[in-house]
Amino acid sequence: DQQVKQNSPSLSVQEGRISILNCDYTNSMFDYFLWYKKYPAEGPTFLISISSIKDKNEDGRFTVFLNKSAKHLSLHIVPSQPGDSAVYFCAASAELMNRDDKIIFGKGTRLHILP
Amino acid sequence: NAGVTQTPKFQVLKTGQSMTLQCAQDMNHNSMYWYRQDPGMGLRLIYYSASEGTTDKGEVPNGYNVSRLNKREFSLRLESAAPSQTSVYFCASIFQINTGELFFGEGSRLTVL
Repeated sequence: DQQVKQNSPSLSVQEGRISILNCDYTNSMFDYFLWYKKYPAEGPTFLISISSIKDKNEDGRFTVFLNKSAKHLSLHIVPSQPGDSAVYFCAASAELMNRDDKIIFGKGTRLHILP
Repeated sequence: NAGVTQTPKFQVLKTGQSMTLQCAQDMNHNSMYWYRQDPGMGLRLIYYSASEGTTDKGEVPNGYNVSRLNKREFSLRLESAAPSQTSVYFCASIFQINTGELFFGEGSRLTVL
């Protein structure tokens, strides 16, 4: 039973346009969400996070939106750049409410930025 | 500042052999994790340790054991390797989950023949 779902295995976006990556979750106890970026042959690196007490968090070109009622979050990258081509993972934990330190990842979305 | 260090980076085993993947972090983090990454499967949690002396099962713990030797080190052991355990293994650590950043090692590529 997949608790964190990224239903788009891949996404292609023109350079300079907006990239929107989506993530759905099933466990209503999740209260902290993270996005990670991964290049081939490297470990994932942290991009941005959001707590369930917020509905938006912004860091430079990256913005994460959280819709708790829909159990959905999205990562917006504006403007998209060639270096953004990578696999993006969504992750969730239930630490704040449930004191559970488990962090669960989705399957990832491969983003291709087209020149 | 080395961050999270995993050894070995590559390993080939025969079915039935045992081995231990080592992980160490120098950031004074409380929680440590072992994930495996397989094509089309994303990052799946094997085991995690919320603090020194505690370990818990993740999504795919079967065939693995772990030891949180001290606050710095968290090892993953395969007692009798199987071809299904061919994967890339990542160790990660975080000081406290709501601080945001989970740090990953560079990965260990394991092939079981």
